Amino acid sequence: EAGVVQSPRYKIIEKKQPVAFWCNPISGHNTLYWYRQNLGQGPELLIRYENEEAVDDSQLPKDRFSAERLKGVDSTLKIQPAELGDSAVYLCASSLRGEQFFGPGTRLTVL
Amino acid sequence: GEDVEQSLFLSVREGDSSVINCTYTDSSSTYLYWYKQEPGAGLQLLTYIFSNMDMKQDQRLTVLLNKKDKHLSLRIADTQTGDSAIYFCAESIRQTGANNLFFGTGTRLTVIP
Repeated sequence: EAGVVQSPRYKIIEKKQPVAFWCNPISGHNTLYWYRQNLGQGPELLIRYENEEAVDDSQLPKDRFSAERLKGVDSTLKIQPAELGDSAVYLCASSLRGEQFFGPGTRLTVL
Repeated sequence: GEDVEQSLFLSVREGDSSVINCTYTDSSSTYLYWYKQEPGAGLQLLTYIFSNMDMKQDQRLTVLLNKKDKHLSLRIADTQTGDSAIYFCAESIRQTGANNLFFGTGTRLTVIP
């Protein structure tokens, strides 16, 4: 069975540019999470979806970050415009009954 | 708020035991987890313990939980070079029917051949 798929794996952009990350969760997993992992830190939750509904987005910087999960399957996370401090690894995870399975992440570098 | 702390580095010789420690602050934790992260990879769940348990053993892994002191440890027996990675402890606090995870900063384990 395929795990959580994320793309792209790496992205380098200049500041003020937009960027988008895509996540395909494990089939049948209704809960999807986006985390940000800064260098030398643990992941921090940005947003959690239950099916297509964002049930916890309290840590999402809403002035520049947005996310969607149309049809309750794939999800995209967007940053517009990107800032230098957004450089990090963006991890997607999915779960069905508690255990979260993580994708490999997208490493974003903002120059 | 949630605060999970770990020491940053640990070095051990191959064949020795490794002990990675973690402290947390939220007494309403339901589960505590240990994840492993290898370079360029996502997080892999190693093991977890329910908050009303004090020990769990799974092959080379032993988890000890001292709920009174809010201290969690992961012992890896017969540590191998393939165990070199970053280990994260995480706590979950049940909110609105799902478990949000709060991670520590990670402990980088280096196994010396």
